[in-house]
Formats: sequence, C-alpha cells, structure tokens
Amino acid sequence: NAGVTQTPKFRVLKTGQSMTLLCAQDMNHEYMYWYRQDPGMGLRLIHYSVGEGTTAKGEVPDGYNVSRLKKQNFLLGLESAAPSQTSVYFCASRESSGNTIYFGEGSWLTVV
Amino acid sequence: AQKVTQAQTEISVVEKEDVTLDCVYETRDTTYYLFWYKQPPSGELVFLIRRNSFDEQNEISGRYSWNFQKSTSSFNFTITASQVVDSAVYFCALTSPDSNYQLIWGAGTKLIIKP
Repeated sequence: NAGVTQTPKFRVLKTGQSMTLLCAQDMNHEYMYWYRQDPGMGLRLIHYSVGEGTTAKGEVPDGYNVSRLKKQNFLLGLESAAPSQTSVYFCASRESSGNTIYFGEGSWLTVV
Repeated sequence: AQKVTQAQTEISVVEKEDVTLDCVYETRDTTYYLFWYKQPPSGELVFLIRRNSFDEQNEISGRYSWNFQKSTSSFNFTITASQVVDSAVYFCALTSPDSNYQLIWGAGTKLIIKP
C-alpha cells in the first residue's frame, strides 16, 4: 500500500535555485496539503487543495507555489530558494467526507 | 481562533515507567475532532487516534490510553509501561468542519525513554 508518497526525500539547494517537491497519493483523496515542520513549531500549513485544479493558501504560503493538475498529485514549488526555507516538508491527503489526514514520509530540504 | 497547546516540550523517563502527555485545546466549534500523531526518529508521521467532540469515552489500545475531557478541554495521552521504542515526538492536533478540516497542531512533546 503506497498511500502518500513524496519525492525527493532529501535535497540540498543553493540559495536562489528552484525546485519542485512531488506528492502523489493513490487513495483517490480530494484534499491534499503541504506542511513544513520546523523545530519547536509543530507543523504549519503552506498550501492546500480541495480538488483537482484548485489550490488555496495556508498559514505560511510566501515563497511557495503549488499546482494540482491531476487529482493524485500535488506539487510544491520553490522558485528562488532561501535559507529560511530549510525545513522538513510533509504532504498529506484526506477524502472529502473524512477527517483523518494521512501523511507522507517527509522531505528534508536544506538551502545553503 | 483554534489553538492546541502541548506545554511539555520534552519528557524523559526510565523504561517501564508510565508517562502522560498533556494536550489542551481551544475551539468555539461544537463539532470537532482531536488527533494524536507519533513522529519517531525516522521522521514519518504516524496516526495514533482520532476522537470526536461528542464522544467522551476514554480509549485504551494496548499500552496506550487517551483521556478526553471536554470540561477542561483536554485530550491527554498516557503510555503505560513505557518502552524504548516509544521514544518519539508526539503531536496533538485539532480539526473541525467549520475550519474546512484544516489541522491545528500543537508544538509537540519529545518523549525520551531511557533503558
């Protein structure tokens, strides 16, 4: 059972570089989320999507863009990476009628 | 506004001791859901339990038990006879239909079980 899969798992970027994190879920979930986790701050919502073709801003959206072109995929983009974006990123999904969110294994991003 | 507070930043106990992780929440919604997630050193987030606001029964699953009290807005998590494998960061979270099911997270409690 794949569940929620994130790629890549680890990445080091130089300041100013761009990259995309891919999240794929095979549970046919409507809702998908991108969180970042920083020490002592729990998880903070970056962007989320309530369905294919729709996205919305979360708590900390600045510096990130997202796209949901296919229902099963939710992409998180960093156009010009900054050291402040060094973090662990988690993707999650849930079905529209459910309230339990399922997480990917995390992507460790370091910006130097 | 909704809020989840986990006042214990880090707890360290010796194996086989019982330990309780505290979670206090704030919400004005009448229907809401509370969660506990575990994050072991490997980093993934593991779902442990979901509780509905209209169901205050305590729950026990093996060595884990949860005490939900609406009167004190608390949803505490107890591990009985702790084991080294229980070492992890534990997060409490809150969601509700009125918030479009966005999860509100506590800051987490790091639990260290010493052999």
